[in-house]
Amino acid sequence: AQTVTQSQPEMSVQEAETVTLSCTYDTSESDYYLFWYKQPPSRQMILVIRQEAYKQQNATENRFSVNFQKAAKSFSLKISDSQLGDAAMYFCAYWRDGKLTFGQGTILTVHP
Amino acid sequence: DTGVSQNPRHKITKRGQNVTFRCDPISEHNRLYWYRQTLGQGPEFLTYFQNEAQLEKSRLLSDRFSAERPKGSFSTLEIQRTEQGDSAMYLCASSLASSGGETQYFGPGTRLLVL
Repeated sequence: AQTVTQSQPEMSVQEAETVTLSCTYDTSESDYYLFWYKQPPSRQMILVIRQEAYKQQNATENRFSVNFQKAAKSFSLKISDSQLGDAAMYFCAYWRDGKLTFGQGTILTVHP
Repeated sequence: DTGVSQNPRHKITKRGQNVTFRCDPISEHNRLYWYRQTLGQGPEFLTYFQNEAQLEKSRLLSDRFSAERPKGSFSTLEIQRTEQGDSAMYLCASSLASSGGETQYFGPGTRLLVL
């Protein structure tokens, strides 16, 4: 079974600074997808960024980028120029055969 | 473009009662998923549908749980004889099936408290 591990229960960052959230996963498959989702307090989960495992190029969405290391099974999220609105729980997720397997989440606090 | 909606948003019930939750997906989405999320944890997959067919069920989905998507549009998740361990947030998501890795869009969830 696939597992996803987020080893940082909590992280904090100063506004306008950069922060990196870690994620590792375990799979024997070669074809899969990886996601980062954001869940603000009492609000619904929204997609941050998506990565296809067969693509070596790291995905980027505005201030959000990933460092995808397939051999190491690592998928970290970098948030640049952090904003107060980035404060949320962040989940790393592995997609295979239609379903998502989520990590435990990292709570990100942004200090003004 | 309306997103995924779920009703009710909150449900308090007594142990042993039955509860039913509803999910309305994004209209053109043919896949619908149910997840369960306990406090401070990531969501856990329960089941998913493509159109009206239930394609997979997790081992987490005991016999007391049943999900339906009768016309390939909205879905219901019923929990019979609720137990305190069923207290959680139940999330619904939908997607448009593609060649793989399609983005799932989540609803706001139904928070269940079993007393």
